[in-house]
Amino acid sequence: DQQVKQNSPSLSVQEGRISILNCDYTNSMFDYFLWYKKYPAEGPTFLISISSIKDKNEDGRFTVFLNKSAKHLSLHIVPSQPGDSAVYFCAASAIGTASKLTFGTGTRLQVTL
Amino acid sequence: DAGVIQSPRHEVTEMGQEVTLRCKPISGHDYLFWYRQTMMRGLELLIYFNNNVPIDDSGMPEDRFSAKMPNASFSTLKIQPSEPRDSAVYFCASKLGRLNTEAFFGQGTRLTVV
Repeated sequence: DQQVKQNSPSLSVQEGRISILNCDYTNSMFDYFLWYKKYPAEGPTFLISISSIKDKNEDGRFTVFLNKSAKHLSLHIVPSQPGDSAVYFCAASAIGTASKLTFGTGTRLQVTL
Repeated sequence: DAGVIQSPRHEVTEMGQEVTLRCKPISGHDYLFWYRQTMMRGLELLIYFNNNVPIDDSGMPEDRFSAKMPNASFSTLKIQPSEPRDSAVYFCASKLGRLNTEAFFGQGTRLTVV
């Protein structure tokens, strides 16, 4: 049972345009959400997070939006750069189990010139 | 700090053999996680420890898998006997504290069972 879903396995975006990566979850107990970025042959690295008390968090070119009623979050990258090409994982943790992260299957982003 | 260190980076073994993956967490981190990455399931949590004590091993797929954390600076994930379907990338991660903070991942061990 996949509690965190990333339904788009891949996404291709032109350099300079906006990249939007989506994530859906089913567990209503999730209250903290993270995005990780992964390059080939490396471990995932933390990118940005959001708590369920917020609906938006911004860090430079990266913004995460949370829609609790729809159980949906998205990562916006503006403007996209070739170095952003990587696999992006959405993750979530639940109230009372803040340490346990549940990950999605990932979306491979390709930023083209 | 050098970050989370995993060894070996690559492991190729024959079906039926025992495999041991190793992890050194970031010094001072009190949580340690073992994840497995596959195309179908993404990053699956296998087991995690808090202060060297296993807290949740519900993700361990079978009895063939076992994990230990004998001290705060070392953990192992063992598969015995290994099977071809165990082929995947295994990640170790560590984290400080129980509150909402991020986990730091090692570079992973790519396991191939032939």
